Amino acid sequence: AQKITQTQPGMFVQEKEAVTLDCTYDTSDPSYGLFWYKQPSSGEMIFLIYQGSYDQQNATEGRYSLNFQKARKSANLVISASQLGDSAMYFCAMRELGDGAGSYQLTFGKGTKLSVIP
Amino acid sequence: SAVISQKPSRDICQRGTSLTIQCQVDSQVTMMFWYRQQPGQSLTLIATANQGSEATYESGFVIDKFPISRPNLTFSTLTVSNMSPEDSSIYLCSVKLQGTNEKLFFGSGTQLSVL
Repeated sequence: AQKITQTQPGMFVQEKEAVTLDCTYDTSDPSYGLFWYKQPSSGEMIFLIYQGSYDQQNATEGRYSLNFQKARKSANLVISASQLGDSAMYFCAMRELGDGAGSYQLTFGKGTKLSVIP
Repeated sequence: SAVISQKPSRDICQRGTSLTIQCQVDSQVTMMFWYRQQPGQSLTLIATANQGSEATYESGFVIDKFPISRPNLTFSTLTVSNMSPEDSSIYLCSVKLQGTNEKLFFGSGTQLSVL
């Protein structure tokens, strides 16, 4: 079974509107971290936001917020007030902390291509 | 955050040749990794670059094909050896910075095309 599922291959959003990008995950590890990255056409991977499985509050970083629903195993990214520069691929990723020794391997979803319409 | 520089940013290479990609970080690093992103795909971990010792490779990746060095904490190289068109990908280094808890950051990537 896939560990990270992003069901939206592509999304469109009007400039200045908010958009939610979906991500569900599958793990039996009680301790894990969830990441969102943005990849513009240039190819670089830009870190956006991180949520730990034991964090009590949903993570926020500027216009980005993570809607973390642990029971549903979902970690959706919400981008508020979309800008043209937000057009890019967005990847959800997970790191399973296991025994705490620290495997830093990230498992990525297939990504969602977001297009912001003027 | 930090500046994570990769060189070259892109290259076009001939089949059978090798290319070495460099990753330099301007902050203290605890861990470094190399990922591959094949066209239209997600990222796959190649290996963990260990300072002063052999890298730890993931299943499907071997040292003879992807030799990795990490002579100090902030610098690492990945070589793609005896290239074939199937090696055409984006190669990215990833780092865990000292004092940043669980966050992992990526370099700017190297877009490799093999003819």
